[in-house]
Amino acid sequence: EPEVTQTPSHQVTQMGQEVILRCVPISNHLYFYWYRQILGQKVEFLVSFYNNEISEKSEIFDDQFSVERPDGSNFTLKIRSTKLEDSAMYFCASSGTSGGDLPYNEQFFGPGTRLTVL
Amino acid sequence: AQTVTQSQPEMSVQEAETVTLSCTYDTSENNYYLFWYKQPPSRQMILVIRQEAYKQQNATENRFSVNFQKAAKSFSLKISDSQLGDTAMYFCAFFESNFGNEKLTFGTGTRLTIIP
Repeated sequence: EPEVTQTPSHQVTQMGQEVILRCVPISNHLYFYWYRQILGQKVEFLVSFYNNEISEKSEIFDDQFSVERPDGSNFTLKIRSTKLEDSAMYFCASSGTSGGDLPYNEQFFGPGTRLTVL
Repeated sequence: AQTVTQSQPEMSVQEAETVTLSCTYDTSENNYYLFWYKQPPSRQMILVIRQEAYKQQNATENRFSVNFQKAAKSFSLKISDSQLGDTAMYFCAFFESNFGNEKLTFGTGTRLTIIP
């Protein structure tokens, strides 16, 4: 069964450093997402990406964040200068085409990357 | 903006019993989807069940069923014959079916513990 993969599973970084979190979505999917979950809190939407551009972003997704699909398989989230409050679990998700009458397909989540900023 | 509320931070139930997790939401839209996700200690997000707002019939997936009350904006999850593997965080989530608004909005979660 196809699945979303994420690397690394755990990333530890110093405050102020840049990090890149990597995701490989399901191969025939067209919509890609990043969510984050601070420990003990709810999952929060960061950004959605479609047709090589951001389709929606939340207020959390400020200028320190960027996303990229550098090739046909990877989808990355970059945090330019990490802060302590960026420590969280980051989930990548992807969904398929909006075929038929339903503008929605299930979002498949990856296993997450735990980011720890020291 | 859509909001999702889960009023039960924690619940516990004996194995084999039935438990119901509550969720309410707020939206002005008519077309949307509702979901229950399970997050075990591994923290993987696993889709349990989904409900399309235009469908009157409540969704069912094996031991999992929902009680969808559109007018009341209520979406509860019932787990029958609960098993130890059901121990997890459960998140209710909302999706509005308009292009340009593709995000899932999650509730704060309910931590469910199944007691042997």
